[in-house]
Amino acid sequence: GAGVSQSPSNKVTEKGKDVELRCDPISGHTALYWYRQRLGQGLEFLIYFQGNSAPDKSGLPSDRFSAERTGESVSTLTIQRTQQEDSAVYLCASSLVGLAGPSSYNEQFFGPGTRLTVL
Amino acid sequence: QKEVEQNSGPLSVPEGAIASLNCTYSDRGSQSFFWYRQYSGKSPELIMSIYSNGDKEDGRFTAQLNKASQYVSLLIRDSQPSDSATYLCAVNRRDSGGSNYKLTFGKGTLLTVNP
Repeated sequence: GAGVSQSPSNKVTEKGKDVELRCDPISGHTALYWYRQRLGQGLEFLIYFQGNSAPDKSGLPSDRFSAERTGESVSTLTIQRTQQEDSAVYLCASSLVGLAGPSSYNEQFFGPGTRLTVL
Repeated sequence: QKEVEQNSGPLSVPEGAIASLNCTYSDRGSQSFFWYRQYSGKSPELIMSIYSNGDKEDGRFTAQLNKASQYVSLLIRDSQPSDSATYLCAVNRRDSGGSNYKLTFGKGTLLTVNP
């Protein structure tokens, strides 16, 4: 089946504008995750959805960042009033079930990412 | 101590050699361990998962877990130039509040396989 898809693949915006990034998880995957990866840096966790609820929003860097998910389907990450430090690749991943004890069902599979550049 | 630590490298090995990538973690309660491969400019790709002590083999890859030493490693046999990438170790553990699990990634080790 299809993997995780993300759109757009690239987004260039001006400082102060709002942007919306979209993620389509693997069909049947109930859990969805957003990460950020700045150039040359590691993966930074942003938020985790189980179904359409977000048990863990602890990684969102500021109140300019928000995310929502419709059912067990598409998720949108919104960044308001973008700043230059928001420039990064935003990665989405999904897993069959949410994070829990040891199980292959919570293996995370990543989409191709959205490269965001804020000028 | 960082939650998940990896040597940033670069680790350079000749083609055909065994590449050994190491990862240590701080939370003794960690339960699941994953290795991802990330080519430059691409997203991470899951290559191995391991949940119990010992070795797990898949083709040229072997993951080794030692929970007592809080250590997980990835061995790549018969290394090929196409294995050149950054390898990320990820550890699933309960967060500080105890109610959620969190997957924490190391910063990755850059592997270069020289032809």
